[in-house]
Amino acid sequence: EADIYQTPRYLVIGTGKKITLECSQTMGHDKMYWYQQDPGMELHLIHYSYGVNSTEKGDLSSESTVSRIRTEHFPLTLESARPSHTSQYLCASSLRTSGARGETQYFGPGTRLLVL
Amino acid sequence: GENVEQHPSTLSVQEGDSAVIKCTYSDSASNYFPWYKQELGKRPQLIIDIRSNVGEKKDQRIAVTLNKTAKHFSLHITETQPEDSAVYFCAAPNTGFQKLVFGTGTRLLVSP
Repeated sequence: EADIYQTPRYLVIGTGKKITLECSQTMGHDKMYWYQQDPGMELHLIHYSYGVNSTEKGDLSSESTVSRIRTEHFPLTLESARPSHTSQYLCASSLRTSGARGETQYFGPGTRLLVL
Repeated sequence: GENVEQHPSTLSVQEGDSAVIKCTYSDSASNYFPWYKQELGKRPQLIIDIRSNVGEKKDQRIAVTLNKTAKHFSLHITETQPEDSAVYFCAAPNTGFQKLVFGTGTRLLVSP
């Protein structure tokens, strides 16, 4: 079934550890996004990608990095986790926009991160 | 547009009442306006969207209206039910259409 997947769903980790949050989609979408969201609060865009080898920083300053080596895969990495990184991270994808068309974003189930 | 304002931030209604959430945008070139519903502990999901070539779109109990002149669009939910309780987000494309700019969300509580 075409969908967007995130692993792990929950992660508790100590300060200073390196972590990678995985995101994969099987919908053939070119564009992918990472959002940071405290539960029920605003969605903050931290990274996005137009396609393979394309990555852009979002609106919220983040110490994380992303890569896009394969169309379906868009991992997010924190080199050194801190308590301030505690939040929910949502991955999303959409078809590549063409001119003035906007396309629906489909969200993954999210990863809840707790940094102790 | 680059800026999307959403009101109210919280909305409490009785079951059966109507609920209206409003958003304004700044970029007059914006042409796509989706609404997402996020239930507690779940992912945001698209519930309805409207493109700028129409002024209103309905899907059962939900409808979205668009006023391009005033640069605002609204979500209308009629005959609300407890399962409508969620956080609702509006959005519009940024200048250049690279991404969606989301509103700050409206927490809707429908009491039985």
